[in-house]
Amino acid sequence: QVQLQQSGTELVKPASSVKISCKASGYTFTSNYMHWIRQQPGNGLEWIGWIYPGNGNTKYNQKFDGKATLTADKSSSTAYMQLSSLTSEDSAVYFCARGYYDGTYYYEGYFDFWGPGTMVTVSS
Amino acid sequence: DIRMTQSPASLSASLGETVNIECLASEDIYSDLAWYQQKPGKSPQLLIYNANSLQNGVPSRFSGSGSGTQYSLKINSLQSEDVATYFCQQYNNYPYTFGAGTKLELK
Repeated sequence: QVQLQQSGTELVKPASSVKISCKASGYTFTSNYMHWIRQQPGNGLEWIGWIYPGNGNTKYNQKFDGKATLTADKSSSTAYMQLSSLTSEDSAVYFCARGYYDGTYYYEGYFDFWGPGTMVTVSS
Repeated sequence: DIRMTQSPASLSASLGETVNIECLASEDIYSDLAWYQQKPGKSPQLLIYNANSLQNGVPSRFSGSGSGTQYSLKINSLQSEDVATYFCQQYNNYPYTFGAGTKLELK
C-alpha cells in the first residue's frame, strides 16, 4: 500500500536551514508528482510546490521561491524539501503529498496520499 | 493568485442531518476543484476531485457539485466520524490555493 513516511520534528534557530524528508513506498516513486504543503498553527493550507522525481523537474509557488528547494533521490525513493533563512513565520507543519494516480493516468493538481507531516519550530 | 472563500467558517449539525459547505473562487476554475477532510492531528484526506468525482473508498454520503466560481460539498446523513475540518482546493492555476477551511462539529 502507498505510504509516505516523513522525518521527525525539527527545532531550529532563526536564520538557519532545515531539510526534511519524505520516503515513499508502495508505488513507483518516479511516476507521480510529489507536492509539499504548509500548514501554519491554526491556519489553513498553502501549496509550496511540486517535484517530478522521474526527471527532477520542479514547480514552485512564487511565495516560496528562495525559501524552499525541492529535490528527490530515486535510489531511495525519497523526496526532500530544504527551507532556508528560517524565521518564526516558517514555524508550521509541512506535508508531502502524492499527485493523484487513477490506475491509468497521473495527475498533478490534487493529492491522493499525504504524509503525516513534519513539524518545524523556529525559535532561538 | 486565485482566492478561495469558504463558508461557513464553522458549522454545528446533528447526527443524520444534511450539511452543505460552500466554496467560492475569485475567478472561473473550470471545475478544477478538490475537497479534503482533515481530522485533528491528522493529514488531510482527498474526498472529491474534479468538483464532483468521489475518491475511491469515500462514503457515498459525500458529494460535490458546482461549476464556474461556485462549488459545494454536501454530506448526507451526518455521522460522528465526519467531525473534521473541510478544505476546498483549486488546481486550475498556479499557485494552487486552498480555502480557509470549515470546521464541522456535532450539535
